[in-house]
Amino acid sequence: NAGVTQTPKFQVLKTGQSMTLQCAQDMNHNSMYWYRQDPGMGLRLIYYSASEGTTDKGEVPNGYNVSRLNKREFSLRLESAAPSQTSVYFCASSEAHTLNEQFFGPGTRLTVL
Amino acid sequence: DQQVKQNSPSLSVQEGRISILNCDYTNSMFDYFLWYKKYPAEGPTFLISISSIKDKNEDGRFTVFLNKSAKHLSLHIVPSQPGDSAVYFCAAVHFSGAGSYQLTFGKGTKLSVIP
Repeated sequence: NAGVTQTPKFQVLKTGQSMTLQCAQDMNHNSMYWYRQDPGMGLRLIYYSASEGTTDKGEVPNGYNVSRLNKREFSLRLESAAPSQTSVYFCASSEAHTLNEQFFGPGTRLTVL
Repeated sequence: DQQVKQNSPSLSVQEGRISILNCDYTNSMFDYFLWYKKYPAEGPTFLISISSIKDKNEDGRFTVFLNKSAKHLSLHIVPSQPGDSAVYFCAAVHFSGAGSYQLTFGKGTKLSVIP
């Protein structure tokens, strides 16, 4: 039971390049989330998926797209990376219909040069 | 406008003493609060939660207090241990209107427990 896994762990991009961050969970959770954490800041929600087949914007969605591929997987895509997107990205999942905690992956550290 | 505020970026406490981490919020619609703990290079992990119908919730060495009238909550760790050294995030829950919940996080407080 791996929980929430994220790939890659580290990535360096040049401005304008694109990439997709992958996330998978094996807890049969309905909801999945993408956050970013910048130095001195709390986690900020980028996008979330309440259930398979739905996605919605969070607090900071600009410059990102997401795909809920199936119940297990939720990917985050940067179409044209910018230095302002340098951050640590966390994926999380939760059982949607209970007020239980979200379970987080280990994060992806992204640097955009 | 920051809806969840942790005004102390860092806190140092001697091992065995009490650690008190504070959190203030501005949105009276929040009705459920959580504390997460984060070690370097790891994702946050859930620690303890409290709903608005309670003013206290206890789990072992960890106790969270909620003062709704003051829009303030605090996390007490007694006794503090060196392994408690981490960044602690306060988070508030509100319904997203799509069958799920969004967490609004504070900026975190870095706790250092000195042996």
